[in-house]
Amino acid sequence: EAQVTQNPRYLITVTGKKLTVTCSQNMNHEYMSWYRQDPGLGLRQIYYSMNVEVTDKGDVPEGYKVSRKEKRNFPLILESPSPNQTSLYFCASSPEFGTGGAETQYFGPGTRLLVL
Amino acid sequence: AQSVTQLGSHVSVSEGALVLLRCNYSSSVPPYLFWYVQYPNQGLQLLLKYTSAATLVKGINGFEAEFKKSETSFHLTKPSAHMSDAAEYFCAVSGDTGRRALTFGSGTRLQVQP
Repeated sequence: EAQVTQNPRYLITVTGKKLTVTCSQNMNHEYMSWYRQDPGLGLRQIYYSMNVEVTDKGDVPEGYKVSRKEKRNFPLILESPSPNQTSLYFCASSPEFGTGGAETQYFGPGTRLLVL
Repeated sequence: AQSVTQLGSHVSVSEGALVLLRCNYSSSVPPYLFWYVQYPNQGLQLLLKYTSAATLVKGINGFEAEFKKSETSFHLTKPSAHMSDAAEYFCAVSGDTGRRALTFGSGTRLQVQP
């Protein structure tokens, strides 16, 4: 089954304790992205990757890191989490057809993070 | 810069009634427009998208949306609501060919009353 998977689905942590949320897709997609969802704000892009070893900042990158060493994986790293990073996080992927934004993005099930 | 405005954070309809969820966008380039649905505790699922082919776009589950450039709108409709349509709906725009980021509206929660 074609899908985007995220782990963990739920996470409670404390301020300053480094954590990684994994994202993996099995559709051989070039493009991957991380979003956070907060009430009343919709989803906002954190980081994106156009392909292996190519990553760049989205709208709200502060406090986050990413890496793309393999095509299928795109982990999100919080080096020193703070309470304002409590949110629902979504990973997404899409193929690269060269149509510049028309491609459908496929979303993972989400990771709910609580930082105390 | 792009933006999306969804009018009404909550919409309630009776089962069998027309569903109308409003979306207005702003984009400096010809936009690609999307409607996604989010069921409780699930990720986002694409309902339909506009990519400059036909202005009336049909999606899954009986939904459709019409792109109106003059009104900068992309409202989502369904002739007859079903209980299973209860969910949160997000309108999104993409026009940045580099970043491919979707700019989302704040969402509309649809309630369907029996």
